[in-house]
Amino acid sequence: EADIYQTPRYLVIGTGKKITLECSQTMGHDKMYWYQQDPGMELHLIHYSYGVNSTEKGDLSSESTVSRIRTEHFPLTLESARPSHTSQYLCASSDQTGGQPQHFGDGTRLSIL
Amino acid sequence: LAKTTQPISMDSYEGQEVNITCSHNNIATNDYITWYQQFPSQGPRFIIQGYKTKVTNEVASLFIPADRKSSTLSLPRVSLSDTAVYYCLVGELGGYNKLIFGAGTRLAVHP
Repeated sequence: EADIYQTPRYLVIGTGKKITLECSQTMGHDKMYWYQQDPGMELHLIHYSYGVNSTEKGDLSSESTVSRIRTEHFPLTLESARPSHTSQYLCASSDQTGGQPQHFGDGTRLSIL
Repeated sequence: LAKTTQPISMDSYEGQEVNITCSHNNIATNDYITWYQQFPSQGPRFIIQGYKTKVTNEVASLFIPADRKSSTLSLPRVSLSDTAVYYCLVGELGGYNKLIFGAGTRLAVHP
């Protein structure tokens, strides 16, 4: 089993709060990704990183930001949460020599009231 | 990145073989075909990957015709626990690739 962890698994929080979703992997993978998925819908790539100090925006525009200070850690931050940010956020990683397959965490289900 | 087309949903019964076909008419020479499975409230999980002809592992088989414009995921003797969404993706294995997930195929296995 892939060792990629996301915390928290569930978060219900009020509008305007700053939120950080954590993602850590113990496989030494250089590539890490964040996807956003609404219930019953497809996954959309919102951020990715090819290594430390490398971050890029994905195909779906997102108000969130990411950082990659350490190989194993790829947190996602929302400075001021809004109800439109309510969704599931999935983190994934893959190794340097191959972009696939991607190993996914179990996601954070975020609800903004 | 090649676009894929899959059926939105499929129904089956326990013990039957299920075949899910994916169309990828614009697949590039360096693209591989990868299938993922996703259960509710979980992230997708890699099932199988191939380039051409047939690939088989302990979970599934993947059939790819010579023109590679489609592929078929075959699940032998499905059980209720195979109820999930199945995604077909095409893309390069290495380099700085990004994966594009489509809507997937929602498989429901009935008793």
